[in-house]
Amino acid sequence: DTGVSQNPRHKITKRGQNVTFRCDPISEHNRLYWYRQTLGQGPEFLTYFQNEAQLEKSRLLSDRFSAERPKGSFSTLEIQRTEQGDSAMYLCASSFWTGNYGYTFGSGTRLTVV
Amino acid sequence: ILNVEQSPQSLHVQEGDSTNFTCSFPSSNFYALHWYRWETAKSPEALFVMTLNGDEKKKGQISATLNTKEGYSYLYIKGSQPEDSATYLCALPQGGKLIFGQGTELSVKP
Repeated sequence: DTGVSQNPRHKITKRGQNVTFRCDPISEHNRLYWYRQTLGQGPEFLTYFQNEAQLEKSRLLSDRFSAERPKGSFSTLEIQRTEQGDSAMYLCASSFWTGNYGYTFGSGTRLTVV
Repeated sequence: ILNVEQSPQSLHVQEGDSTNFTCSFPSSNFYALHWYRWETAKSPEALFVMTLNGDEKKKGQISATLNTKEGYSYLYIKGSQPEDSATYLCALPQGGKLIFGQGTELSVKP
């Protein structure tokens, strides 16, 4: 297992376009998390899954954001009608249950909305 | 929502200096505290998960202490090297996920 993989690494898109990111977690991990990080801030929680079930979605998250984990393996995060304020690093992490031994993070997808 | 504070926000030291920074959190309902190191262009990497008051953990020249009664953890780096340059994040669990502080960005100059 090569760890948590995120694609693409970078994405530049025009305002108003839709974008989709993919995360492949560690195969034994049943929990998968999405975070967003902007300059000078720590990672901000977006949503998480246990297997294929989405257990929590941040109240700060706009309806333009949706995430899926259809077979309890990889996950996608889609942003519809992107805005400049969506520009950020999007991080995916996975853990075995509650992550008592820590999360394993991917390298992130850097989104720039122009 | 859980308030996790880190200080300082950034730190610039010379190679060989020892340094430390702080993570503060509400002392009530404590369960665990995580420390991560995030180097530029890499993934955040778990350093320590701490659960017990008075806990002390060490990994190479990096160590951390935990005081759950007063709600803080210190991360120490002894004899900083340029490769220690990174953002250091602490996080606490709330519900089923981690809540992160804003991080301390450490820059070590040769």
